[in-house]
Amino acid sequence: GQQLNQSPQSMFIQEGEDVSMNCTSSSIFNTWLWYKQDPGEGPVLLIALYKAGELTSNGRLTAQFGITRKDSFLNISASIPSDVGIYFCAGQALIYGNKRVFGAGTILRVKS
Amino acid sequence: EAGVTQFPSHSVIEKGQTVTLRCDPISGHDNLYWYRRVMGKEIKFLLHFVKESKQDESGMPNNRFLAERTGGTYSTLKVQPAELEDSGVYFCASSQDPGTTDTQYFGPGTRLTVL
Repeated sequence: GQQLNQSPQSMFIQEGEDVSMNCTSSSIFNTWLWYKQDPGEGPVLLIALYKAGELTSNGRLTAQFGITRKDSFLNISASIPSDVGIYFCAGQALIYGNKRVFGAGTILRVKS
Repeated sequence: EAGVTQFPSHSVIEKGQTVTLRCDPISGHDNLYWYRRVMGKEIKFLLHFVKESKQDESGMPNNRFLAERTGGTYSTLKVQPAELEDSGVYFCASSQDPGTTDTQYFGPGTRLTVL
């Protein structure tokens, strides 16, 4: 089945630093999504991307849909303590039955 | 408006026992999804309901898992008998419309531990 390789697995950064994480696959997707899971909560959608090459921002978050349709990245600028959590990427395509395929997550910890 | 709720939040059972997880979607959402995350791994799709019908159950691991959504409202996921490898966090999500642009709202999950 389709698999997403998400990296890094975890990050421990200083408050104020920028963060970059990415997701790659050998499969092509038509939609890329980024979620954040806070402790004790379910994942919450941060950004959705629908076109190859698309670059979308949401506050301090920026995500891009790779040109090859096989990858995506998420950047967080000027990290703050509340950015702590697990970030998941997900891909979706009609040819895979429109099921969302998730990565294993990137754990982000922020030192203040 | 209430979000997706799941019950229980935690369940610890012994191998061979039965457990039933419940999900209450956001009111008016016809689409309901079950996912599972085994520790440290990816979130995996289990199945998708549209109202009370199973639209896609291709992710269900085996016939020890039974999902129902009577009346198209809340859903239950029963594991019988539970095995050690069933441990993980089970998430439920709901959305208004299916497809690539729908926003799926996730519940907080049920953490299942099988000893």
